[in-house]
Amino acid sequence: QSALTQPPSASGFPGQSVTISCTGSSSDVGNSNYVSWYQQHPDKAPKLLIYEVNQRPSGVPDRFSGSKSGNTASLTVSGLQAEDEAQYYCNSYTGTSVMFGGGTKLTVL
Amino acid sequence: QVQLVESGGGVVQPGTSLRLSCAASGFTFRSYSINWVRQNPGKGLEWLAVMSYDGSRTYYADSVRGRFFVSRDISKSTVYLQLNNLTVEETALYYCVRVQRAQKVILPTFDYWGQGTLVTVSS
Repeated sequence: QSALTQPPSASGFPGQSVTISCTGSSSDVGNSNYVSWYQQHPDKAPKLLIYEVNQRPSGVPDRFSGSKSGNTASLTVSGLQAEDEAQYYCNSYTGTSVMFGGGTKLTVL
Repeated sequence: QVQLVESGGGVVQPGTSLRLSCAASGFTFRSYSINWVRQNPGKGLEWLAVMSYDGSRTYYADSVRGRFFVSRDISKSTVYLQLNNLTVEETALYYCVRVQRAQKVILPTFDYWGQGTLVTVSS
């Protein structure tokens, strides 16, 4: 049950695109179409942003997109906006356990 | 509307126990698996355990297996997390979360989160 690996920080200017990676193994990310991403603002509960690698729940702007290649999943935020500044977490599973990434702090410069 | 409301947190001493509750409403309780996730202050998310939608299976993270136990009361639409032999490092906000898809035992897709209940372990 190893945690997934995310970069601790990412940043970009308003209007730019930023991509956050999430690296696992052939037992979890690489072996599953179930990778999710969550956005968490300070003192708030996490919010589901992307599920099943690239699906957006209703209400999530299409500026947020997900993809996966091998053992690494990615979240891309296009057209950065000030309100996108938050913590982002990925997660996946093995079938009997769930694991999260360590989180990435996205700063809008 | 879907709601998950945690309760039972508090300040406890190391080595002691606590039982957390998660009261669910706004959806068919028997159809959705419920997980527990914690977040240490200023830190990341850690998955702890899941109670399957039909109550037949539970799974635990290695870090808590044998010390934490999840159960449920269908009549109250409530899931519980029993925390035993707590350590200072387990001071955290404990969330209960719902799996997005009905009748799935375990998935990493959590569509509804409670507000969390704070557990502080301190001597």
